[in-house]
Amino acid sequence: DVKVTQSSRYLVKRTGEKVFLECVQDMDHENMFWYRQDPGLGLRLIYFSYDVKMKEKGDIPEGYSVSREKKERFSLILESASTNQTSMYLCASSSSGSANEKLFFGSGTQLSVL
Amino acid sequence: AQKITQTQPGMFVQEKEAVTLDCTYDTSDPSYGLFWYKQPSSGEMIFLIYQGSYDQQNATEGRYSLNFQKARKSANLVISASQLGDSAMYFCAMREVNSGNTPLVFGKGTRLSVIA
Repeated sequence: DVKVTQSSRYLVKRTGEKVFLECVQDMDHENMFWYRQDPGLGLRLIYFSYDVKMKEKGDIPEGYSVSREKKERFSLILESASTNQTSMYLCASSSSGSANEKLFFGSGTQLSVL
Repeated sequence: AQKITQTQPGMFVQEKEAVTLDCTYDTSDPSYGLFWYKQPSSGEMIFLIYQGSYDQQNATEGRYSLNFQKARKSANLVISASQLGDSAMYFCAMREVNSGNTPLVFGKGTRLSVIA
């Protein structure tokens, strides 16, 4: 069974902490994505990667960075967490880009920054 | 500009009735794909159905069908014979193809509540 695994389901951090959200996929997918989901705003793209060591900014990259050292792993980094980064974070992956290529999602990480 | 618009923040439907969730999109790319995802309260995102811009027929998957009206740029999801388990958030999404390998862009979602 294909799987995208996010390391934590719930996470509570303090303002100013450095936060790592980890995502691993076992489908040998080239593409990986980080979205955040907020009520009334839907899913918004933070960063994505189409290859190892490659990254592209999405619609809301400010305050975030990413790392993709291995094909299967895509990490989202909050360098200095702030309360407005309290959100649900969803990782997704897909194989390379035909129009009908669907995303496979992890179960999400609900991050609270206090 | 918003590429995917879902105008219904919330909807109610009686069990066993059909329901239509609206989605309009904006693109100048002649080649694109449209997706619907379901997100139950557990939080997982479940792929439901896909429609390509060049597909002649409306997509169907079991009780789900996509009412694709290309000229109106609308891709409404129709759920027939609603079940209590259909209560969830539903997201419409689009990928533009000729712009390269672009990510999926999502709408803000519609929360569907099925009433017994």
